[in-house]
Amino acid sequence: AQSVTQLDSQVPVFEEAPVELRCNYSSSVSVYLFWYVQYPNQGLQLLLKYLSGSTLVKGINGFEAEFNKSQTSFHLRKPSVHISDTAEYFCAVSSNDYKLSFGAGTTVTVRA
Amino acid sequence: GAGVSQSPSNKVTEKGKDVELRCDPISGHTALYWYRQSLGQGLEFLIYFQGNSAPDKSGLPSDRFSAERTGGSVSTLTIQRTQQEDSAVYLCASSPGGTGGQLFFGEGSRLTVL
Repeated sequence: AQSVTQLDSQVPVFEEAPVELRCNYSSSVSVYLFWYVQYPNQGLQLLLKYLSGSTLVKGINGFEAEFNKSQTSFHLRKPSVHISDTAEYFCAVSSNDYKLSFGAGTTVTVRA
Repeated sequence: GAGVSQSPSNKVTEKGKDVELRCDPISGHTALYWYRQSLGQGLEFLIYFQGNSAPDKSGLPSDRFSAERTGGSVSTLTIQRTQQEDSAVYLCASSPGGTGGQLFFGEGSRLTVL
């Protein structure tokens, strides 16, 4: 079984500042890792995913994440945020099956 | 439509009533999931359908919860004798199937039990 811990429940950030959202997972097997974003009053959509290969993954809207196997982490970063990045962000993990386990989410609020 | 469609978007019911939530997945997607999102918590897996295989019901919280998927397409999640703790957003997602595949989510059905 796997589990996901998102270390920050709320992240306030000023516009054009960088942001990092932390995610750690636990699993006894190889994993696939995902970040999903939920904008206000919308469904979840995929930001990026790591399946294999390069540990640095680039996603939509300028986000990227780095898979660190030794630290069992998959932190999400963006060098310069916009007001429109205000949303809830979910880290998720799956192993060699179909079931995604999600973290509790991190709410990012971008202020001008 | 092109995306996952869920109905109703909002449902208010009285404690003890039964409710049905509907999900229409993306055409051609063989996998269908139900998750529950409670305030301040992550997404809780409820049930998974894949093609004609027996569903994985391991996440259903009690026997008051059931789900079916007819003809490999539309799915209905039924909650009998609703309780206040059932209040949450119920999310449906579909996927083309396969390990590591992307899930496509609907906008959810917000259930409020009074």
